[in-house]
Amino acid sequence: EIVLTQSPATLSLSPGERATLSCRASQSVSSYLAWYQQKPGQAPRLLIYDASNRATGIPARFSGSGSGTDFTLTISSLEPEDFAVYYCQQRSNWPPLYTFGQGTKLEIK
Amino acid sequence: QVTLKESGPVLVKPTETLTLTCTVSGFSLSNARMGVSWIRQPPGKALEWLAHIFSNDEKSYSTSLKSRLTISKDTSKSQVVLTMTNMDPVDTATYYCARVYYYDSSGSQNDAFDIWGQGTMVTVSS
Repeated sequence: EIVLTQSPATLSLSPGERATLSCRASQSVSSYLAWYQQKPGQAPRLLIYDASNRATGIPARFSGSGSGTDFTLTISSLEPEDFAVYYCQQRSNWPPLYTFGQGTKLEIK
Repeated sequence: QVTLKESGPVLVKPTETLTLTCTVSGFSLSNARMGVSWIRQPPGKALEWLAHIFSNDEKSYSTSLKSRLTISKDTSKSQVVLTMTNMDPVDTATYYCARVYYYDSSGSQNDAFDIWGQGTMVTVSS
């Protein structure tokens, strides 16, 4: 079963700064990786699918990159509403088993 | 507008069976480009995927919980049901259902949880 490891566990930045979040897979997942944002008391929201495609309605300051085992979510200039927990997720081919990373908490410095 | 809504008991006792229902609207459970999964999140912890059902009724389960889970759907009612047996206090969590959208029609792994329900909190306690 593929394990996703996110780093750092917590990232402290100020509004306007650039955020770089990492997700590493225990084996290659090709480009099949998604990113989600979760705010307290809310359900997760899809940000990125297929490593680099923004979901509908997601601002352009969010971008994803990577393939194989190493992936990055970048937020180019942090807005106050971006401080949240971010998860990466992948699906194995068959049987289709989904896994999430343990999350990165992006907090205001 | 696509929505999913979870319903079920707020409190269950240890050893009991939990039954949760996800009622969807705005799409059909027979649409081959979509499926539905259940995901849970213990308080303060990470997301954990539980089970998935495809439009053709194929199912997939978390390896660690497979023996306790059953997922099914009633397309005519637009509902997906999850049962989890032998509940334990460690199963206390918010349970979400989410739509999976398959971005490729080829059946590859290119999919994601694009729409989520609001979640339902389930506490396991005597």
